[in-house]
Order: sequence, then C-alpha cells, then structure tokens
Amino acid sequence: DQQVKQNSPSLSVQEGRISILNCDYTNSMFDYFLWYKKYPAEGPTFLISISSIKDKNEDGRFTVFLNKSAKHLSLHIVPSQPGDSAVYFCAASGGTASKLTFGTGTRLQVTL
Amino acid sequence: EAGVAQSPRYKIIEKRQSVAFWCNPISGHATLYWYQQILGQGPKLLIQFQNNGVVDDSQLPKDRFSAERLKGVDSTLKIQPAKLEDSAVYLCASSLIRTGEVEQFFGPGTRLTVL
Repeated sequence: DQQVKQNSPSLSVQEGRISILNCDYTNSMFDYFLWYKKYPAEGPTFLISISSIKDKNEDGRFTVFLNKSAKHLSLHIVPSQPGDSAVYFCAASGGTASKLTFGTGTRLQVTL
Repeated sequence: EAGVAQSPRYKIIEKRQSVAFWCNPISGHATLYWYQQILGQGPKLLIQFQNNGVVDDSQLPKDRFSAERLKGVDSTLKIQPAKLEDSAVYLCASSLIRTGEVEQFFGPGTRLTVL
C-alpha cells in the first residue's frame, strides 16, 4: 500500500524554465510534507517542507504548493539550473520525530 | 556542524553471511532512524530510536535484522544471515525533538550488495 506516490519517474526541463514535480498521498493524517533532493552516492538532502495547515511555502527558487482536498502537492523550481539535476523525493510525516513515508522519486534533468 | 556519519560506504558479501553498519548522528539529535532504500524505490523506515529506546521497529525483519543504540548516540544495524533481497542502500538519519521540526538529516548511506 503506497501512501505517497510520485507518478512521473523522470522529467526533462530546459535551463531557465520552470520545473514542476508532483506528488499524491492517500493518508489524510499526515501533518507535514517534505521534499528531498538526492545526488548519486549521497544521502537525501532536505529542500523544503510545508505544514498541512498551509497551502504554500516559498524558499528562494523553490515553492511547494499543497492542495489538501485533492491530496496533492507540487514542487516548483524557478528558474531551473543544471545543478538542480537530481532525483527528487516527496515525503510525508505525522509530525515532530515521526518517520518519513517516501514516494518513489522523480529524476529531474535540466538541460542547457 | 558535522553531518550524519556512516560506515562503511560500500559492502559486498555472500548470502548467509553477516554484516554490520555503523551510524553517528548529528550531535544533540535525540532521534535516530535507519531506512532501507531498494533500487528504484523511496527509503523505507526499518527502525526508529529516541535516545536509546526503540520507538518503531514494526517494519524491521526481526528474524535477521537487529539494531541497537547504546548510550543514546551511535547506532549499529546488523543483518544475520543476509539474503539476496537485502541488497539496498541503508540510510541513517537523525533529527531534533522540537515542535514543528520535522526535517531529518541523512548520512551518505551504505550500499550493500549480497551475492
């Protein structure tokens, strides 16, 4: 039973354009949602999070949108840069010091 | 601030052998997690410690996997005996216990190959 789903295994975007990564979840008890970025042979690195009581959180080039009624969130990267090429994981949490439930990841390729 | 340290980075063993992984979390982080990431999937929690007590080990295959966190700091994860399907990256993460803080900090992982 996959509670967090990333249906697009890969995405290719041109440098300078917007990258939109999507994530769906099924468990309405999740309190927080997080995005992690992963380079090969490294551990996941935290990017940005959003509480379930908000619908938007912004940090520099990264914005996360949450639609609770649709159980859907998205990560927008504007403008996309070649260094953004990595695998992006969506994760959900029940709160402080709770386990993370991850999606399967989306590989983003930013081309020149 | 030093990050989460893990060793070894890579390990190759034969099936039915045993293996152990070590993790040193970020100083002051009371909560420590071990995740298993199989190729093509997202990380999946194996066990969670708070200080040196187990919070959640519901997904740990206890017939072959064991973990401990002595003195509430370092942790070791052991597999004995290993099976082919244990081939994966084993990630250690740590976090603070602070209201509203949900971010977990991950180490580089140990890539295990079971032949």
